[in-house]
Amino acid sequence: QVQLVESGGDLVKPGGSLRLSCAASGFTFSDSYMTWIRQAPGKGLEWVSYISGSGNTISYADSVKGRFTISRDNAKNSLYLQMNSLRAEDMAVYYCARRAPSQRHLDSWGQGTLVTVSS
Amino acid sequence: EIVLTQSPGTLSLSPGERATLSCRASQSVTSSYLAWYQQKPGQAPRLLISGASSRATGIPDRFSGSGSGTDFTLTISRLEPEDFAVYYCQQYGSSSYTFGQGTKLEIK
Repeated sequence: QVQLVESGGDLVKPGGSLRLSCAASGFTFSDSYMTWIRQAPGKGLEWVSYISGSGNTISYADSVKGRFTISRDNAKNSLYLQMNSLRAEDMAVYYCARRAPSQRHLDSWGQGTLVTVSS
Repeated sequence: EIVLTQSPGTLSLSPGERATLSCRASQSVTSSYLAWYQQKPGQAPRLLISGASSRATGIPDRFSGSGSGTDFTLTISRLEPEDFAVYYCQQYGSSSYTFGQGTKLEIK
């Protein structure tokens, strides 16, 4: 079955950097678009970024454009999110999620990793 | 960017009752790209409905989705105790996703 496991969340100071990872298994990773979604404490869901299976198509939310970089390593079945210039408003649980094949909805989610931005 | 507005913000009902959750878009949404998710405390969201009306694998048939254009509805025909959670609608368009702010379904 599809399994997504995020890691890398930590406490970081404003202006700092962090790299999140998502390890995927149970499906052909290189065929799947992958996304990052975040959820600030007590708040709703916010889409962050997505990347195509090949890595050639990438999109970002305006709130993170120019600061975050999504990437993937298909040989390692892994998805990444490099987060720079972190702000207090970036503090959230970050989920990786798979986009359903040939669809747009997100059919599998990881359990999330917490990013805390505080001095 | 398409804005999704969910109503009500909180819905208080009893087990066995029918729940009707609304999701209204600021402009027309492709029905194929409208989905609903359920999230329980401390858990990741779970896909319920895709394509506005297709239940995801393993989702009970008491959950149903309908609508088109700018107005979409998630209906839970008879509430079970495990259905009390937060529900989000989500759409894809113009190379981005947006989510509604969520409806909290609580036990009355």
